[in-house]
Amino acid sequence: QKEVEQDPGPLSVPEGAIVSLNCTYSNSAFQYFMWYRQYSRKGPELLMYTYSSGNKEDGRFTAQVDKSSKYISLFIRDSQPSDSATYLCAMTVDHNDMRFGAGTRLTVKP
Amino acid sequence: GAVVSQHPSRVICKSGTSVKIECRSLDFQATTMFWYRQFPKQSLMLMATSNEGSKATYEQGVEKDKFLINHASLTLSTLTVTSAHPEDSSFYICSASPGGPTEAFFGQGTRLTVV
Repeated sequence: QKEVEQDPGPLSVPEGAIVSLNCTYSNSAFQYFMWYRQYSRKGPELLMYTYSSGNKEDGRFTAQVDKSSKYISLFIRDSQPSDSATYLCAMTVDHNDMRFGAGTRLTVKP
Repeated sequence: GAVVSQHPSRVICKSGTSVKIECRSLDFQATTMFWYRQFPKQSLMLMATSNEGSKATYEQGVEKDKFLINHASLTLSTLTVTSAHPEDSSFYICSASPGGPTEAFFGQGTRLTVV
């Protein structure tokens, strides 16, 4: 079993849709949870990070962590074509142990 | 946000040659830099962690003699792929951290193709 599981997709939605991206993990020691966005042939950029269970909102993005279920989500409201990218979840006990999901490829169609 | 510059973005080399990839933190001092490798449709895989002035810590299964890492200063780390082979073709990404587990900034990545 992988430490971090993420459905690679691809996921295709119409513009304006609400997108839900998810990861599950097995290591209960993970404390920090991050979402990265990666455009094709570029390095990942940090979108959101959370430390505790609950929700964190930033504009159209909401990150949700449920430590009891070992499940994290990223919601994108009013999705735009420019949101088309690969979204990677990542988590860490401390930064030396960061583990990434496989990434979900998202396409938002105009 | 902080900027991490990685160079080159693409490189094609012949089998048996060595390739050096640079990772620079442009506006902060990176106490720790990380090197990842990414295969298509797979997750980022940590190759090694380097701290300025000390030897890199390699992940299990990563050949330290093949992937030489030098963290010469607080703003520069280099990854040298020695005696490259076609199976080394991949996307290599560095990240740099000024400190703290959530402060990780990534470079643009380097697409290495070994022919």
